[in-house]
Amino acid sequence: DSGVTQTPKHLITATGQRVTLRCSPRSGDLSVYWYQQSLDQGLQFLIQYYNGEERAKGNILERFSAQQFPDLHSELNLSSLELGDSALYFCASSGGLAGAYNEQFFGPGTRLTVL
Amino acid sequence: GENVEQHPSTLSVQEGDSAVIKCTYSDSASNYFPWYKQELGKRPQLIIDIRSNVGEKKDQRIAVTLNKTAKHFSLHITETQPEDSAVYFCAASSPDSNYQLIWGAGTKLIIKP
Repeated sequence: DSGVTQTPKHLITATGQRVTLRCSPRSGDLSVYWYQQSLDQGLQFLIQYYNGEERAKGNILERFSAQQFPDLHSELNLSSLELGDSALYFCASSGGLAGAYNEQFFGPGTRLTVL
Repeated sequence: GENVEQHPSTLSVQEGDSAVIKCTYSDSASNYFPWYKQELGKRPQLIIDIRSNVGEKKDQRIAVTLNKTAKHFSLHITETQPEDSAVYFCAASSPDSNYQLIWGAGTKLIIKP
């Protein structure tokens, strides 16, 4: 158990719908990262927050948005869902910036299925 | 910006043999290189990392080597075991890119019994 929690574990929805994925980082971790992993694919970095502020953006679609709240939990909002959005969405956290020698701890992921 | 290429995409080795996965990076200012392992159906986990002021780091059967001149780093697994079967991701970060981790595409390691 990494200490990072994600809800829900599974989500099945229809095209055109909107969903919200939630992540609670490890206690004390200020950085939160969101990744998308499609079947048999690599980790696609979406977005990073540090202490409530957006820090870096990756290949995140305009239909997707995220935020980090004062209690440091984060939410990823996916709207106008398409079949291709079906994937495993990971949240990760680190104490400082992951690229500055800090280990990233990944949550168990949310499996999104768009029908 | 930084770009990380990882090879091979799939590697199949006999149990007990060694496995080597190589990553190349583009930003000469990169100074941190972690490796993550993702077992089937599980989350990625850090297995080893290396900083640019070190040429090699070992942890039991795994080691990472860094060649700053050639801008590549490699993961070495000796005496492979079935539990080494997984997808391995390399990454690199640079202070010039705000310490953002740039990930390789991953290598699927298959250990044949």
